[in-house]
Amino acid sequence: SAVISQKPSRDICQRGTSLTIQCQVDSQVTMMFWYRQQPGQSLTLIATANQGSEATYESGFVIDKFPISRPNLTFSTLTVSNMSPEDSSIYLCSVEEGGTQYFGPGTRLLVL
Amino acid sequence: LAKTTQPISMDSYEGQEVNITCSHNNIATNDYITWYQQFPSQGPRFIIQGYKTKVTNEVASLFIPADRKSSTLSLPRVSLSDTAVYYCLVGASNQAGTALIFGKGTTLSVSS
Repeated sequence: SAVISQKPSRDICQRGTSLTIQCQVDSQVTMMFWYRQQPGQSLTLIATANQGSEATYESGFVIDKFPISRPNLTFSTLTVSNMSPEDSSIYLCSVEEGGTQYFGPGTRLLVL
Repeated sequence: LAKTTQPISMDSYEGQEVNITCSHNNIATNDYITWYQQFPSQGPRFIIQGYKTKVTNEVASLFIPADRKSSTLSLPRVSLSDTAVYYCLVGASNQAGTALIFGKGTTLSVSS
């Protein structure tokens, strides 16, 4: 199965600032996904990122707030822009390999 | 995507077998059923996936009746370390670009 790492593992940020989260996979994958998990809640899909094309965002999420890059088949970044306390969540990267989705360890973000 | 319904919580004792049932009445012909386990502060971990009848691996068994409108995850002889949230998801695993949509999950608490 794919091994996924994320950086940073956690961060505390001030409102109004931006944070870029990195996701690295140990194999080449076509599809990568970004999820958000708010405290005590289930996972919510933010967007799907395909290498070489614009990310596809789910309802309620926009590119200006959560810009995504996908420069190659093993790497992606998610930026949380102009943060507010409501953005405090765990952000998870996921990839599809062999018909199964695998998840990274997550980035725990606290916005003050 | 098919919606799933599973119990919010379950309690068990060490050494018991735990069966978690998930309903997915609107499952499509090309949908697979996948179960994930999530510990606090970690990303979801793939447990098992199936299409019909029974699937077994070193961790769990998955029972799927002929009509595929439900499925049951069976955890043999649970231990304290099996305390986690378990998610049942349905989706077309062979359809590139289709991310899994998470429901609320079942919180399993194992006591000694």
